[in-house]
Amino acid sequence: NAGVTQTPKFQVLKTGQSMTLQCAQDMNHNSMYWYRQDPGMGLRLIYYSASEGTTDKGEVPNGYNVSRLNKREFSLRLESAAPSQTSVYFCASSEAQGGNTIYFGEGSWLTVV
Amino acid sequence: GESVGLHLPTLSVQEGDNSIINCAYSNSASDYFIWYKQESGKGPQFIIDIRSNMDKRQGQRVTVLLNKTVKHLSLQIAATQPGDSAVYFCAENSNTGNQFYFGTGTSLTVIP
Repeated sequence: NAGVTQTPKFQVLKTGQSMTLQCAQDMNHNSMYWYRQDPGMGLRLIYYSASEGTTDKGEVPNGYNVSRLNKREFSLRLESAAPSQTSVYFCASSEAQGGNTIYFGEGSWLTVV
Repeated sequence: GESVGLHLPTLSVQEGDNSIINCAYSNSASDYFIWYKQESGKGPQFIIDIRSNMDKRQGQRVTVLLNKTVKHLSLQIAATQPGDSAVYFCAENSNTGNQFYFGTGTSLTVIP
C-alpha cells in the first residue's frame, strides 16, 4: 500500500522557471492537500481540494496553482518560481474534511536559485 | 486566528525513560487533535489522535491527554527507544473543519 506518493523528491529551479509537483493517493480519499514546511514554522496549507472537482485556497496560496485531475491525483504548479518558494512540500490526503486523519507523502525538496 | 504551540522546542531523554511532549492550542472550538512524528527527510507520520469528547487515549506505548479547560495537549511515550528520536507535531482542527493547524514541533532525542 503506497499511500500518498509525490514526485519529484528533489528539484532545483532557477528564478522564473515553472514546474509541477505531482501527487497521487491510493486510499480512495476524497480530500487532498498541499502544504509547505519551512524551518521554525509549522506546516502551512497552500491549497486543498475537499472533493474531486473542487479546489480552495489555504493559508499561503500566492504564487501557486493546483489541479485536482481526478480523485487520485492533485498537482501543485509554480508558474514563476521565486527564492521565497524554496521549501519542502508535502502532499496529503484524508477520507473527508472535518475531523479526519490526514496522511502525508514523503515530501518534495524544492530549491529556487 | 488559531495558533498551536509547543512549550519546548527540544527534549532529550535517556533510553528507557518516559517522554512527555506538550502542546498548547488557542481555539476552544477545536474538536479533533492529532500527534505526528517526523523523522529527518521524511513526511509526518500519524501516531495517535483524540477527539474533544475524550480526555485520554492510549495506543501502543503512547498516550495522548487532552485538557480542554486549559487547552493543553500532551503526548506521553513509554519506555522511549532510540527509534523514537524525531520531531513531534501536534495538529488542531479548525472551526470549520476545513484545515488543520500545526505546531512548529518538538525535537526528541533519545540518549542510549
